[in-house]
Amino acid sequence: DIQMTQSPSTLSASVGDRVTITCRASQSISNWLAWYQQKPGNAPKLLIYKASTLESGVPSRFSGSGSGTEFTLTITSLQPDDFATYYCQGYNTFITFGPGTKVDIK
Amino acid sequence: QVQVQESGPGLVKPSQTLSLTCSVSGGSINSADHYWSWIRQPPGKGLEWIEYIFYSGTTYSNPSLKSRVSTSLDMSKNQFSLKLSSVTAADTAIYYCARISRTFRGAFDVWGQGTMVTVSS
Repeated sequence: DIQMTQSPSTLSASVGDRVTITCRASQSISNWLAWYQQKPGNAPKLLIYKASTLESGVPSRFSGSGSGTEFTLTITSLQPDDFATYYCQGYNTFITFGPGTKVDIK
Repeated sequence: QVQVQESGPGLVKPSQTLSLTCSVSGGSINSADHYWSWIRQPPGKGLEWIEYIFYSGTTYSNPSLKSRVSTSLDMSKNQFSLKLSSVTAADTAIYYCARISRTFRGAFDVWGQGTMVTVSS
């Protein structure tokens, strides 16, 4: 089964900052990669699927890239509503989540 | 708009079997375009995929839980259910049911609100 890692585990940033989170898979998963945002007390929310496709209704400041084993989630101008934990998730029959990246206020 | 909702006991005794049901509304579980899945999240920790099931009844399980977990479908009620046997305190978590989109390359596009299950005597 694949292993997913994320870096950093915690990221301190300010409103307006450009933020990048990296996700790595232990083996190639092509573009079978999704990103989620989770706020305390809430279920995760799908942001991006197929590594780079924005889910309907998700602001365009979010973007994803990568394929194979290395992927990134970028927030171009961090907004107050974006302080949350972000998870990547890979799929190759089995499913694995990354450990998460908490984005907090600097 | 498809919605899913978990239900089941909030407290389970150690060594017993945890049973949860996910009710699906706004769409049918008898769909070749989707899988139906369980995910859990221990308090303050990350997400762990448990299992998913296809409309045919085929299931895929997290290898670490495979020996204790089973998921089934009830087409007549448009529900799917999870059973996790021989639970311990380590199984205490928020349990989510969710839909996987095959079109979205295995992404979870619909989530329930989650239900907290505590394993304690």
